[in-house]
Amino acid sequence: QSALTQPPSASGSPGQSVTISCTGTSSDVGGYNYVSWYQQHPGKAPKLMIYEVNKRPSGVPDRFSGSKSGNTASLTVSGLQAEDEADYYCNSYAGSNSWVFGGGTRLTVL
Amino acid sequence: QEQLVESGGGVVQPGRSLRLSCAASGFAFRNYGMHWVRQAPGKGLEWVAVIWSDGDHKFYSDSVRGRFTFSRDNSKHTLSLQMNSLRAEDTAVYYCVKERGPFTAFDVWGQGTVVTVSS
Repeated sequence: QSALTQPPSASGSPGQSVTISCTGTSSDVGGYNYVSWYQQHPGKAPKLMIYEVNKRPSGVPDRFSGSKSGNTASLTVSGLQAEDEADYYCNSYAGSNSWVFGGGTRLTVL
Repeated sequence: QEQLVESGGGVVQPGRSLRLSCAASGFAFRNYGMHWVRQAPGKGLEWVAVIWSDGDHKFYSDSVRGRFTFSRDNSKHTLSLQMNSLRAEDTAVYYCVKERGPFTAFDVWGQGTVVTVSS
């Protein structure tokens, strides 16, 4: 159960787009369409932003989108806003009733 | 609205035990798998355990298997995590989490309860 690989940091100016990658293996990201993304502000619980690779829960702005190619999933935040500054974590089902998170990416809005 | 409230965290010595609880409300509790996810200080999220909706199937991460036991009471809408043989590396915020659907994603999170393992 090795953690998925995310860049430790990402940044962009207000209004710009930023993409965060999440790389796993064929046993997790590449093997299932059960990739999800979470936003976590300091001192708060994580919030689900994307599930099943590219689906948005009710209430999540359409500025947030997800995709997957092979063993790598991606989260794109378009039209960056100040409130998007947070830590972002990817997660994937890894088979045999186990799940694995990425190490997290700190998104800074410049 | 859907809500999860954890309790039971605290400071405990290495090798001792602690029992966390989670109270669920606002959704059809007996229909959903439930999880524990933890976050060590300054670190990322780590999946810990899952219990299926029926309460009969439980699975654990390698780091806690054999030491932690997950249970649920569907009549009381509660979850419990019995943590034995605690280690310093178990120090973390523990989140009770609802599954959106089998295997899919974690859509409702509690506020977390802090467990500190220290002598």
